[in-house]
Amino acid sequence: EAQVTQNPRYLITVTGKKLTVTCSQNMNHEYMSWYRQDPGLGLRQIYYSMNVEVTDKGDVPEGYKVSRKEKRNFPLILESPSPNQTSLYFCASSSKTSGAWNTGELFFGEGSRLTVL
Amino acid sequence: GENVEQHPSTLSVQEGDSAVIKCTYSDSASNYFPWYKQELGKRPQLIIDIRSNVGEKKDQRIAVTLNKTAKHFSLHITETQPEDSAVYFCAAPGPNSGYALNFGKGTSLLVTP
Repeated sequence: EAQVTQNPRYLITVTGKKLTVTCSQNMNHEYMSWYRQDPGLGLRQIYYSMNVEVTDKGDVPEGYKVSRKEKRNFPLILESPSPNQTSLYFCASSSKTSGAWNTGELFFGEGSRLTVL
Repeated sequence: GENVEQHPSTLSVQEGDSAVIKCTYSDSASNYFPWYKQELGKRPQLIIDIRSNVGEKKDQRIAVTLNKTAKHFSLHITETQPEDSAVYFCAAPGPNSGYALNFGKGTSLLVTP
């Protein structure tokens, strides 16, 4: 079954304790992205990756890191989480690009709800 | 993202009525405009998209129209049903990169029986 898998789905942690949210897709998609969803703010892009070893910042990259060592995996790293990073996080992937444009359907994972105390 | 504005933020309609959600974008070079539906507690899913070489696209009860000159696009849902109740997001690529897909803040649609 084609899917995007995120882990953990739920996490409560404390300020400053490094954590990683994993994301894996089995569709051989080149493009992967991380979004955070907050009430009233919609989906905001954190980082995206056009292919292995190619990443770029989205709208809200501060406090996050990513890596794309393999095509299927795109982990999100919070080196020193703070309470303002409490949010619902979605990983997504897509296959189609048209030149320099992302024009494909985004397949989202089920989301990871993170609480930072 | 800042380059995509979506209105209204909430919309309540009676079953059978039509619903229209509008989005504007800032990057005139944007060429792809998807709409996603997110049901309560679920992940967003694509419902329809349009590319800049057409002005309208329909899929059963939903349609999207695009006005490139005015830089806005709209989602139209006809004969609404209670299962259409969800949050709808528009999106557009850019402005700094065509790979950055920015979403509007969402419209919470409630269809009452």
